[in-house]
Amino acid sequence: AQSVTQLGSHVSVSEGALVLLRCNYSSSVPPYLFWYVQYPNQGLQLLLKYTSAATLVKGINGFEAEFKKSETSFHLTKPSAHMSDAAEYFCAVSDSGGYQKVTFGTGTKLQVIP
Amino acid sequence: DAGVIQSPRHEVTEMGQEVTLRCKPISGHNSLFWYRQTMMRGLELLIYFNNNVPIDDSGMPEDRFSAKMPNASFSTLKIQPSEPRDSAVYFCASRPLTSDEQFFGPGTRLTVL
Repeated sequence: AQSVTQLGSHVSVSEGALVLLRCNYSSSVPPYLFWYVQYPNQGLQLLLKYTSAATLVKGINGFEAEFKKSETSFHLTKPSAHMSDAAEYFCAVSDSGGYQKVTFGTGTKLQVIP
Repeated sequence: DAGVIQSPRHEVTEMGQEVTLRCKPISGHNSLFWYRQTMMRGLELLIYFNNNVPIDDSGMPEDRFSAKMPNASFSTLKIQPSEPRDSAVYFCASRPLTSDEQFFGPGTRLTVL
């Protein structure tokens, strides 16, 4: 069975500060890993994904994440937070097989303080 | 492309009533997912279709819930009878064969009184 754990249901940062959202995964097979973002009253949209190519993955809006197998982590970072980054962020994992059922974490709400 | 379309966007009903949620996936996508999102339980996968065939319905909470996908361009999620604990936002997502990315609809906010 695969799962993800997101540390911190709420994170607050000042505008311009580093954003770090933590995600650890558990998977019995090489995983595919994703970060999705959900803005208020909207569905989720993909920020970035890791599918066994480069371990440092760049996504939209200046976000990136690094796959670290030794730490079973896939933390999401952004060097400088913008007010528009305020949203809920979900880490997700799927196996690399054809079934590709995706398991989502519980989400982290990011607050950006002016 | 219009994206994944869900209707209605908001539904308020009374306990015991039947509720039908609708989803139109993105044209050409062969996988469709129904999710439920609540504060307490987060985002839960209810059921997953591949080429209109249900693959995994282990997330469907109980027999009151049923889902169908009669063709590649339409799916329904039905709750009968509805209960207050079914109040949640229900999302539909679709995925093309050639990608790992799921495309989510805007959701249906269901309130059961």
